[in-house]
Amino acid sequence: AQKVTQAQTEISVVEKEDVTLDCVYETRDTTYYLFWYKQPPSGELVFLIRRNSFDEQNEISGRYSWNFQKSTSSFNFTITASQVVDSAVYFCALSELDRGSTLGRLYFGRGTQLTVWP
Amino acid sequence: NAGVTQTPKFQVLKTGQSMTLQCAQDMNHNSMYWYRQDPGMGLRLIYYSASEGTTDKGEVPNGYNVSRLNKREFSLRLESAAPSQTSVYFCASSEPALTDTQYFGPGTRLTVL
Repeated sequence: AQKVTQAQTEISVVEKEDVTLDCVYETRDTTYYLFWYKQPPSGELVFLIRRNSFDEQNEISGRYSWNFQKSTSSFNFTITASQVVDSAVYFCALSELDRGSTLGRLYFGRGTQLTVWP
Repeated sequence: NAGVTQTPKFQVLKTGQSMTLQCAQDMNHNSMYWYRQDPGMGLRLIYYSASEGTTDKGEVPNGYNVSRLNKREFSLRLESAAPSQTSVYFCASSEPALTDTQYFGPGTRLTVL
């Protein structure tokens, strides 16, 4: 079973529209981390944000904001006033802290391709 | 700081050939990882190394071997390449004692004919 589900495979918006990328995760751990990465057309993976399971405060960074809700196991990502440069594949990922190990393996969703049209 | 570097950037192999993908990081991270990315599949963990001298299988280890040469370097070897190994390979590193955020290299695009 997928630990991280990104139900939206592709989203297209016009510049200046707001867009929300959904992420739903599944874990039995009480301590875990959630991440968002961006993969622009050039192919590299760019880290955007890390959130731990004990911090449900929403976070805003410029035009980006993240909504973490443990009650619904969701960690959604909103881009306000989208721009063409936001066009990329966005990945949500989960890191669990297994018992006896401090290594958090990353489980990725399948990604959402966001296209922003001028 | 170069971060995580990978060589080569592109490679074409014939079925049955072998090759090694190289990865190095200069962030003094203890943990390193190899992933493959296939269309519509996200990234899947092949092998990881929690610390120098240790390696463990990930989700899709078949057909691969790894070597953690030292703290900086973690290589991925394909002993007998198969077309199913055509993919983009990413190396990453992290420091679990700190933020545990994984930082990725630029990737290697491998085609097996």
